[in-house]
Amino acid sequence: DAGVTQSPTHLIKTRGQQVTLRCSPISGHKSVSWYQQVLGQGPQFIFQYYEKEERGRGNFPDRFSARQFPNYSSELNVNALLLGDSALYLCASSPGGGRGNTEAFFGQGTRLTVV
Amino acid sequence: AQSVTQLGSHVSVSEGALVLLRCNYSSSVPPYLFWYVQYPNQGLQLLLKYTSAATLVKGINGFEAEFKKSETSFHLTKPSAHMSDAAEYFCAVTGPNYGGSQGNLIFGKGTKLSVKP
Repeated sequence: DAGVTQSPTHLIKTRGQQVTLRCSPISGHKSVSWYQQVLGQGPQFIFQYYEKEERGRGNFPDRFSARQFPNYSSELNVNALLLGDSALYLCASSPGGGRGNTEAFFGQGTRLTVV
Repeated sequence: AQSVTQLGSHVSVSEGALVLLRCNYSSSVPPYLFWYVQYPNQGLQLLLKYTSAATLVKGINGFEAEFKKSETSFHLTKPSAHMSDAAEYFCAVTGPNYGGSQGNLIFGKGTKLSVKP
């Protein structure tokens, strides 16, 4: 079975531009979460989507937005890029569907560099 | 609100020596706890998880961790380090409502493990 896939793996953008990152969860998983990992830090929670609805949002500005599609894939959009947005963006999928010890499976990440 | 503190941003051990990576959590309710490993330029891989069952949790690659409520700790250990264990390790916590339609992981800042030959 394919794991969590993210695209692209790397990209370079200029300040002020907009970027879209994509994530395909593991087949059958209905929950997708996005994390930002700045160099030398642990991942920080950005969004969680479950059944195409936003269920959680971290402390990030409105320049960050996301959505989940009927096939449970997801996109993360960042507008008006700043140098500080340079980071590894991680997508995690989990089965969802009930309270409990649901394991989150992470993709390889998208390395975004803003110049 | 939950939080995680990892003591030591960098730990260095010799091959064959004991590995001990420290994690303390802060939570107002019994948490779920996780250890993840991250190799360079890769995503996170789950090593083990505590979900209110046995307090001693065994994971992959010979790692284990013990949940100690009285010390609010969840330290990661491995009896004998291998060169391939060199990576960054993250402790994470979440509340009992995790899973399903809500919840997210809260990560520590990570501990980079180096293994000397």
